[in-house]
Amino acid sequence: EVQLLESGGGLVQPGGSLRLSCEASGFTFRSYAMSWVRQAPGKGLEWVSIISTSGTNTYYADSVKGRFTISRDQSRNTLDLQMNSLRAEDTAIYYCAKGSSPVIAANFFDYWGQGTLVTVSS
Amino acid sequence: EIVMTQSPATLSVSPGERATLSCTASQSLGSNLAWYQQRPGQAPRLLIYGASTRATGIPARFSGSGSGTEFTLTISSLQSEDFAVYYCQQYNNWPPYSFGQGTKLEIK
Repeated sequence: EVQLLESGGGLVQPGGSLRLSCEASGFTFRSYAMSWVRQAPGKGLEWVSIISTSGTNTYYADSVKGRFTISRDQSRNTLDLQMNSLRAEDTAIYYCAKGSSPVIAANFFDYWGQGTLVTVSS
Repeated sequence: EIVMTQSPATLSVSPGERATLSCTASQSLGSNLAWYQQRPGQAPRLLIYGASTRATGIPARFSGSGSGTEFTLTISSLQSEDFAVYYCQQYNNWPPYSFGQGTKLEIK
């Protein structure tokens, strides 16, 4: 059974930093692209970032480019999101999502974690 | 960037009836479109990929159709657990992987 378990969310002040983690199990982690998707309170889904199987290639939404960094640890089967210079508009539930493909292109998301809430407020 | 537009924003349907949800892309996607269901307080769940292929474990009452820029999700004979928000997502031109704004399916 595929499981994705996010952690690291919480309350942070504007301009602060937070690191989210996602522990994956039930599939061959190193064989799939992985992504983060967020959802602001009462709003729709917004794709945030994706990382290739090797971790070499990464892509970001314009809204987070230059502030967020996605990474993966194949030895621990974990996906991370380092978030810096946080803004109020980054407040959202952040979901870890498994890509459908071993390549970074053309992915839909076939499994999702339950999400972790990030609140950016003073 | 491809813009995904879903209609209607809210759809009111009685249990047992059929629901038809639409998704329109600003550029052709071929068949690279997925549908997700999100129940209140839950994570999204993949329903359909490749515009018309049901994901593992998805009941046959869910069906997807379309190609290019126009796509449809049909739910025949609505069950109580089907009342939720539905999102389409394109994966043809990226980044970004864009989602529609969602259609809320509510009980009439």
